[in-house]
Parts: sequence; structure tokens; C-alpha cells
Amino acid sequence: GNSVTQMEGPVTLSEEAFLTINCTYTATGYPSLFWYVQYPGEGLQLLLKATKADDKGSNKGFEATYRKETTSFHLEKGSVQVSDSAVYFCALSGGSSNTGKLIFGQGTTLQVKP
Amino acid sequence: GAGVSQSPSNKVTEKGKDVELRCDPISGHTALYWYRQRLGQGLEFLIYFQGNSAPDKSGLPSDRFSAERTGESVSTLTIQRTQQEDSAVYLCASSLDISGANVLTFGAGSRLTVL
Repeated sequence: GNSVTQMEGPVTLSEEAFLTINCTYTATGYPSLFWYVQYPGEGLQLLLKATKADDKGSNKGFEATYRKETTSFHLEKGSVQVSDSAVYFCALSGGSSNTGKLIFGQGTTLQVKP
Repeated sequence: GAGVSQSPSNKVTEKGKDVELRCDPISGHTALYWYRQRLGQGLEFLIYFQGNSAPDKSGLPSDRFSAERTGESVSTLTIQRTQQEDSAVYLCASSLDISGANVLTFGAGSRLTVL
């Protein structure tokens, strides 16, 4: 079945450092890919998404490119801020099963220090 | 409503008791999902509803778990004879439909603690 694997955390960075959180997936067909973020004390919310191969999702300075050849959707940001400290979840839905059931990775905790 | 509303926000119960968790989705959202998030872990899919179609119950961990939804409105997740391993945050989400590109809007969750 469909699955998502994320790099393990926690990831600790200094402010203005470059961020990469790796995400790879297993799915048949052409799933949609998502990054959701959970800030401390808040609910889970969509950060960005990409619905087809080579699409780039972007929001709040974060980017991720849908790479079908490597089945990856790595999250990147050029210069992180303390306010980016949160748990980041990679997820997928659709594909050959064509359902909206969202399958999540295990989450990666990011801590940014001033 | 403006967002997905869940209640109670916190529930402490004794092992063996039954609990009910409620979710009010965004008005007009036809799809509703339940997930479980154990401490320090990812989101575990439990069940989803789409309109009048049969729900996808493939993620329910045991027959102690059940969920109902009336039409396209409120859903209730029931856990019978709770166990300590049921302690988690139970998240509800809704979306406009179940197409692969849909975006889920999550509630704040119901934190369940089983003593």
C-alpha cells in the first residue's frame, strides 16, 4: 500500500540556516503530495502541496518539488527563523486508489535557535 | 462553521470506561476523517466518511473503536472499554471532497488520557 517515509528528527538549526527535510513515498499511479505543519499548541495545517510530477509547491519561503523519478518531495527553506520551529509532516493521497485518504509520514520536529 | 470543531478538548478516563469524541466539520464539506496521534508519533489514519458512501474503516485498530456520521454533519468516534494504549490526541479533519488533490482542514484535537 501507499506509504511515506520522512527523515527522523529532531532537527536543530541556528536562525538563518538552510533547511532540508527529506521525504520519500511509495505509491502506485500519480498521488498528490503535501507538507503539513503543526506549530506548538496549534492544529495541523497545510503548508504546501504539489499534484503532479515536477510541480513545485511553495509557501512562507518553503519549497518542495514533486520528483517522480526519485519518488521524493523534500522540503527546503533557504533561511529558517525561530518562528519556523514546529513539527512537519509529509503526506500523500490519491494515486491509483484515487481516494482522498491522506497517508502521513511520522513527522520531523524542527527546532530553530536564535 | 468557520473551522472544524472537536469536543471535548481534553478527556481523562479510567481504564475500561467508554468514551465518545465529537467532531463538527466545516459546513459543506462532504468528507470527514479521523486520525490518531500518539505522543511523539505521526498521524495514524482511523476512518473516513464521504457523503452517503460506505465509510473506509480500514484504519480502526480494533472492534472497540467505532464511528458514526449523520449525513454530512457531526461525527462521533466511540472507544469502548478503553485501554491505556488508547491514550492519544484524536484529530478530526474535513474536506470538500475525496479527490486526490483535496486539502484537509483539521480540528484542534481531543486529547484522551486513560488512567
